[in-house]
Amino acid sequence: AQKVTQAQTEISVVEKEDVTLDCVYETRDTTYYLFWYKQPPSGELVFLIRRNSFDEQNEISGRYSWNFQKSTSSFNFTITASQVVDSAVYFCALSEPPLQGGSEKLVFGKGTKLTVNP
Amino acid sequence: DAGVIQSPRHEVTEMGQEVTLRCKPISGHNSLFWYRQTMMRGLELLIYFNNNVPIDDSGMPEDRFSAKMPNASFSTLKIQPSEPRDSAVYFCASSAGTSGVGGETQYFGPGTRLLVL
Repeated sequence: AQKVTQAQTEISVVEKEDVTLDCVYETRDTTYYLFWYKQPPSGELVFLIRRNSFDEQNEISGRYSWNFQKSTSSFNFTITASQVVDSAVYFCALSEPPLQGGSEKLVFGKGTKLTVNP
Repeated sequence: DAGVIQSPRHEVTEMGQEVTLRCKPISGHNSLFWYRQTMMRGLELLIYFNNNVPIDDSGMPEDRFSAKMPNASFSTLKIQPSEPRDSAVYFCASSAGTSGVGGETQYFGPGTRLLVL
């Protein structure tokens, strides 16, 4: 069965520190997709990134970067020079295409609450 | 472009009452998902539609819950009768995915915060 584990429940940092949010996933399939979403205090879920299982290149978008390693089934998220506005709950999620036997749904981790203090 | 629209944003009702949550997906998207978020269970999928047809409703907790998608631009999630344990945030999401392909990005609405007293 699919499973996403975000072992860090809460992280607190001081502004300008770098912070890495961990995500470990379990799946039997060779084709799958990984996502990160941000949920700020206002409550909406904001899409950050989508990565398919065949693309292991790291991705950088401004202060955000993602490290995908199939060998360890991890898809970690790093925020460089954190800012107060980065304070939110961050969710990692896994999706499998239905043809592989899975359902077209996102399985979410429990989330990591990040607090960036000024 | 408008994102996913949900109404109401907040709903307070008494146990036993019927509750109807509404969702308008992003125009052109053909997959629609209903999720529920609680502190205990996190984010969980209730049901999803593709081209207005329910594909997977295995997450619907019980017969008190029902969902419909009468056309490509509207869906409802109904709880009848409501119970205090139904209190949660209900999210609607849509994607441009095609059933059988999967992996498309889901875009979420702002959610409906439901409180059943």
